[in-house]
Amino acid sequence: SQQGEEDPQALSIQEGENATMNCSYKTSINNLQWYRQNSGRGLVHLILIRSNEREKHSGRLRVTLDTSKKSSSLLITASRAADTASYFCATSTHHYGNNRLAFGKGNQVVVIP
Amino acid sequence: DAMVIQNPRYQVTQFGKPVTLSCSQTLNHNVMYWYQQKSSQAPKLLFHYYDKDFNNEADTPDNFQSRRPNTSFCFLDIRSPGLGDAAMYLCATSRPPMETQYFGPGTRLLVL
Repeated sequence: SQQGEEDPQALSIQEGENATMNCSYKTSINNLQWYRQNSGRGLVHLILIRSNEREKHSGRLRVTLDTSKKSSSLLITASRAADTASYFCATSTHHYGNNRLAFGKGNQVVVIP
Repeated sequence: DAMVIQNPRYQVTQFGKPVTLSCSQTLNHNVMYWYQQKSSQAPKLLFHYYDKDFNNEADTPDNFQSRRPNTSFCFLDIRSPGLGDAAMYLCATSRPPMETQYFGPGTRLLVL
């Protein structure tokens, strides 16, 4: 199964700075999603970008998708201490009408107050 | 609030002793998923139910089984847990054609 791969895997920044994470994948996708996971908790959906979209914004989040390079990036602007979490990209393929996600390894982001 | 609930949050079992993890949802979603997440790794899909139809991933060990008695509940059964099965188990739901998945808080399994 295909799987996103994020780069870099650990990022430590000061509050107010921007954080950028990258993700690469290997095969065709329907969409790519980013999720956040706080330590020891479940995942929370952040943003979805479809294969025919190039850029999408949601609040302080900006995601880009380059299907020719099979890569995506997530930018968090003006980071806050509450943004400290692991961030995963997940590629979506449809399987008999429902959505299967393949998750990448994740980026650990630490925002220092 | 509509949500995905997993119980218990922490489960300790002994090597080889069957264990069941539970997931319930108030979202009325027709698809339910089980993921395994080992420390510092990505969640890995084990299987999912689309309504009553069970879909197993090709590389999910036979040791893992699942039951979905109704729309709201789904169970993960580990028949003979090994030390390598210690992980966080995440339940998620979705309702096609929406493509977002909603996750529970997870159950952390420890095998002694």
